[in-house]
Amino acid sequence: AQSVAQPEDQVKVAEGNPLTVKCTYSVSGNPYLFWYVQYPNRGLQFLLKYITGDNLVKGSYGFEAEFNKSQTSFHLKKPSALVSDSALYFCAVRVLYSGAGSYQLTFGKGTKLSVIP
Amino acid sequence: EAGVVQSPRYKIIEKKQPVAFWCNPISGHNTLYWYLQNLGQGPELLIRYENEEAVDDSQLPKDRFSAERLKGVDSTLKIQPAELGDSAVYLCASSRGTHSYNEQFFGPGTRLTVL
Repeated sequence: AQSVAQPEDQVKVAEGNPLTVKCTYSVSGNPYLFWYVQYPNRGLQFLLKYITGDNLVKGSYGFEAEFNKSQTSFHLKKPSALVSDSALYFCAVRVLYSGAGSYQLTFGKGTKLSVIP
Repeated sequence: EAGVVQSPRYKIIEKKQPVAFWCNPISGHNTLYWYLQNLGQGPELLIRYENEEAVDDSQLPKDRFSAERLKGVDSTLKIQPAELGDSAVYLCASSRGTHSYNEQFFGPGTRLTVL
């Protein structure tokens, strides 16, 4: 089955420390992978994506993600966390939805990141 | 540029009542999406439009949900009649072009509460 998983419901990190938010996926074919962030009472905002090429993808607000094909992972990282990074983070993967015969984004359940001052 | 606009932001109705949500995508974005987001979950696609054509509505519960995108710009999502289980946040998103690798831009959502 095609799917995406975020194994941690919540991640806590001290301000200034590096952060990692984990994501694993299961798709047939080459994956298209995305990270979005959601602040309270706001819509999701695009952070970065992997389509092809370099396994290390750089995105908005200093975030980056590493695509690892052998481990089927796409973890989000930032070298130094800010309090303002506290939000809900969603990993998404493009899947072929058999019911429609077209591609859709399937989102993980989200990981709540809390950066402690 | 202005972002995706949705209204209303909040809606409270009683079960069996109708409700409608409106979305204005980013100018020039020809693909529009409606998602359902339950508490503690990621968004789930309800319907996708390319211009005025609904190209993927396979997950839209068509017995009570309907959507339209007249003239390929604004879109309306309707529920009639609403059920208790429809309480959720309804998100609208848009993207430039039709490729599945294009990033989507999301509106703030409409939080629906059905009593």
